[in-house]
Amino acid sequence: DTEVTQTPKHLVMGMTNKKSLKCEQHMGHRAMYWYKQKAKKPPELMFVYSYEKLSINESVPSRFSPECPNSSLLNLHLHALQPEDSALYLCASSRIQRGTYNEQFFGPGTRLTVL
Amino acid sequence: DAKTTQPNSMESNEEEPVHLPCNHSTISGTDYIHWYRQLPSQGPEYVIHGLTSNVNNRMASLAIAEDRKSSTLILHRATLRDAAVYYCILRPEKKSSGDKLTFGTGTRLAVRP
Repeated sequence: DTEVTQTPKHLVMGMTNKKSLKCEQHMGHRAMYWYKQKAKKPPELMFVYSYEKLSINESVPSRFSPECPNSSLLNLHLHALQPEDSALYLCASSRIQRGTYNEQFFGPGTRLTVL
Repeated sequence: DAKTTQPNSMESNEEEPVHLPCNHSTISGTDYIHWYRQLPSQGPEYVIHGLTSNVNNRMASLAIAEDRKSSTLILHRATLRDAAVYYCILRPEKKSSGDKLTFGTGTRLAVRP
């Protein structure tokens, strides 16, 4: 299994809603990532988890809350989002070998629309 | 982080070779050169990486200049499926806390039938 899966594929939410994005991989990768991609722009890193611990937070607002409950799962909890948070949210994973992070495998993304 | 410069767009004919250039004049000695591509409506996909020597894999070849200030991704026979945005990214060799891929604007490759 060489796939990163993300659910849901599409999500529409209001500014007062609470929702979660889910990411799963069964490749034994111990690094997992969240990226945000606005239309016609490159992906931007949000968070990195290494061995299920948050290792990088790129100054992301607290209305985005990541969680890594185990080595296969990564969640992104959303609360009180703004319309400008509408974007494609990409999850990725990579193997860690002797301190080196190998290439990242990306999921297809969740397209989020905030009304 | 060292920066890369790529043309905004390129065109190619199907079944012809494509050479996608990348300039990285501020590259440091321990930076690896990585290429990812993003097909329409998909997440990015790893293509190839290298440090100093040219590299080949089943998807592409990577030619690295002797001074490492530039590199070229070579698709030997472009297909319609190769139409994508190609990103050239510099990655430090070792990372203490995680792998930060910093995507530039990339090159949008169009393939004509």
